Amino acid sequence: GDSVTQMEGPVTLSEEAFLTINCTYTATGYPSLFWYVQYPGEGLQLLLKATKADDKGSNKGFEATYRKETTSFHLEKGSVQVSDSAVYFCALTGGSQGNLIFGKGTKLSVKP
Amino acid sequence: DTAVSQTPKYLVTQMGNDKSIKCEQNLGHDTMYWYKQDSKKFLKIMFSYNNKELIINETVPNRFSPKSPDKAHLNLHINSLELGDSAVYFCASSQMPGLAPYEQYFGPGTRLTVT
Repeated sequence: GDSVTQMEGPVTLSEEAFLTINCTYTATGYPSLFWYVQYPGEGLQLLLKATKADDKGSNKGFEATYRKETTSFHLEKGSVQVSDSAVYFCALTGGSQGNLIFGKGTKLSVKP
Repeated sequence: DTAVSQTPKYLVTQMGNDKSIKCEQNLGHDTMYWYKQDSKKFLKIMFSYNNKELIINETVPNRFSPKSPDKAHLNLHINSLELGDSAVYFCASSQMPGLAPYEQYFGPGTRLTVT
């Protein structure tokens, strides 16, 4: 079945460091890909999305490009802030019913 | 204006009890979901309803019963609660599955603790 694999955390960075969180997927067909973010004590918020190969999703300085050849959707940010500390989930839409299949999440901590 | 709301936010109860979690969305979406997030933050789909009809029912004990009185509401009733049911439950909604823009909007979650 469809699945998402993302890098194990936690990831600890200093403020203004470069961030990469790796995400690869296995899917039949052409899923849409997402990054969701969960701030402490809160629900999930959509961070960015891409719906077809070579699409680049971007939001709040974060970017990810849908790479069909490497089945990847890595999340990047050039300069992280303390306020970016959260758990990040890579996900894809699985099957015809539209439910999301999530990776296990990567916890990011940014130190001042 | 809250797009997807859930009540209660916290729920502490004893084993064997029956409890319900309510979810409402004001986005006009056709599809609603319940996800379970375990203690390791892993998220998994439980149920999905489209226009009040069940379309996904993953391997979930039949103690869990979703109810959708209308397409804006999807409630989750849990019978005979067990310790292993302790988790955070998220409600979500989206437009028709398989149609752009695909993304789902999540509620704030209900943290269920069974003692």
